[in-house]
Parts: sequence; structure tokens; C-alpha cells
Amino acid sequence: DIQMTQSPSTLSASVGDRVTITCRASQSIDSWLAWYQQKPGKAPKLLIYKASSLESGVPSRFSGSGSGTEFTLTISSLQPDDFATYYCQQYDIYSSFGQGTKLEIK
Amino acid sequence: EVQLVESGGGLVQPGGSLRLSCAASGFSLRSFWIHWVRQAPGKGPVWVSRVNSDGSTTTYADSVKGRFTISRDNAKNTLYLQLNSLRAEDTAVYYCTRAGLHAFDVWGQGTMVTVAS
Repeated sequence: DIQMTQSPSTLSASVGDRVTITCRASQSIDSWLAWYQQKPGKAPKLLIYKASSLESGVPSRFSGSGSGTEFTLTISSLQPDDFATYYCQQYDIYSSFGQGTKLEIK
Repeated sequence: EVQLVESGGGLVQPGGSLRLSCAASGFSLRSFWIHWVRQAPGKGPVWVSRVNSDGSTTTYADSVKGRFTISRDNAKNTLYLQLNSLRAEDTAVYYCTRAGLHAFDVWGQGTMVTVAS
């Protein structure tokens, strides 16, 4: 099984900040990496697929990079609606998710 | 509107069974692989199972293999997950999700399964 490890687990930031979340895969997954945003009581929402492609309708302040085993999600200028939990997911071999990064208001 | 709607969750005793349904609207289910993902309270999502577009290929996480069965009825545009021999650790919100070209691009709202005596 492919293990996905995110860091940090919790991130405190302010509106307007630039933030980066890191995700590491236990083996190479090429670029088969997605990022999701989840708010309480809601299903995950796809933000980024194929490591760096922006899903339709997602604001351009979200960006993704990486390949192989190391990936990042960057939010260039935090907006109030961005405070949520973020998960990375590999979909190279079946699927598995990271443990999540909770983005909190500082 | 492209949509997935799950149903069938509820409270069940350990060792019991449930059948979850996932109804698609706004698109044809037969064109997509569909996955089930579950999320225990306060935890991250965990992949459970998948089925290919015609139902001929199914895959399961080790934690549910032999107990859960995924199936689909493309004529009804509906997917199913049969849950047998349920355990307390199966307690979670269960989501069905579409595997499009862009990862898991459509999700249902989820259905809660609680296993407790």
C-alpha cells in the first residue's frame, strides 16, 4: 500500500498569507496526486489533479507542484473561505489519502 | 446538474448488514469507474472499494475484503455497497465518488453508518 504523509497537521495563518502544505508518498506515484478541500459536514472538494492542474471553477490562488514522491499545495493569498482541512490523495495504485492539514485562522 | 446521492446508512449492531446505494443524476454512470470512500468521525478519508464501468472488475481495501461487496446497475444508474459482518471500526460516513479524468471529481453528500450495540 502507498502511504501518504502530510505536513504540517495544523497550520495557523492570517488572511492574505501565503501558505504551503507538503505531501510525501511512500513510493513514486508519478504525477497521480490530487488535493482536496473539506469543510465540516461536507464531502471533499477537488482542487488540484495530476499534481498541478487546477480543477474548473477553483480560484487561481490555489496551485500544486511536484512529482514522484514530493508534492506541495500552495495558497498564494489566503481568503476567509479557505480555512478548512486539506487532503492529498494518490490515485496511481488504487487510492489513499494523507491524514490532513487543518488550516486555522491565526 | 451532475450529482451523486447516497442512501441506506443507519445504526446496526455488530455483525449486522447494510446495503448502501449511490444514485447518479446528470451523467451516465456506465461511463465511469466509481469508488467508495469512508471517513470515521474526526479522521481523514479512507479508500474502501472501486468498480469499473461495466462492473466486471472490483477491488477492495484489505480492511473490508471478504465482508463488503460493490456492485452496479447501470440501467438504474445506481451503485451499491453491501456491508456484511459489520464491526465498530466500520463506523463512518460513506461517500461514493466518480473517478473522472480529473481524479475523484464528483462526490455524494455521504451516508452515515454507525455500528454499535
